[in-house]
Amino acid sequence: GAVVSQHPSWVICKSGTSVKIECRSLDFQATTMFWYRQFPKQSLMLMATSNEGSKATYEQGVEKDKFLINHASLTLSTLTVTSAHPEDSSFYICSAELGTDTGELFFGEGSRLTVL
Amino acid sequence: AQRVTQPEKLLSVFKGAPVELKCNYSYSGSPELFWYVQYSRQRLQLLLRHISRESIKGFTADLNKGETSFHLKKPFAQEEDSAMYYCALLEYGNKLVFGAGTILRVKS
Repeated sequence: GAVVSQHPSWVICKSGTSVKIECRSLDFQATTMFWYRQFPKQSLMLMATSNEGSKATYEQGVEKDKFLINHASLTLSTLTVTSAHPEDSSFYICSAELGTDTGELFFGEGSRLTVL
Repeated sequence: AQRVTQPEKLLSVFKGAPVELKCNYSYSGSPELFWYVQYSRQRLQLLLRHISRESIKGFTADLNKGETSFHLKKPFAQEEDSAMYYCALLEYGNKLVFGAGTILRVKS
């Protein structure tokens, strides 16, 4: 089946620094990728929809200047957490859609961010 | 307002017993619903979608528009079914919205 890879799997950074997380679709092209945030023992919260070649669409309450998303190619989307603070510590998960408007998502393994 | 509701955080059943994971949704249009599963230490993956009307790993789910439900069922639970199950709704704008999830524990 389709494979989505996220990197890094976990990262620890100091407060005030920026962290980039990559999401790659390894064996298919994804026009649309999604970024989620998951708090402990809670569901996935959609942060933004990443569209190849255009600006990301952010969900209400998600700061676009804080969470920069770039989808420069059909196989790569990146999430950059800028000027990270401890409250940004979380599990970030990306997914890539197979096809268009199918709702069939393939998920990355997630990235655990810890901000000290 | 919560669009996808999974009322049970944890469902514990014995091996061989029937399983029903509940999911209710709220959506004004024609809904497209999915069940995703996350096994221990693995990534989230698609289990089934209502439009395909297929049975995966013995699980089925029927969309009931009258009750706005999409419950996941399996007649005989197996230990390897233990996992976190998420019901999801495809909303306008092609966004997948997830319920809170239900942990299924199958005891031997």
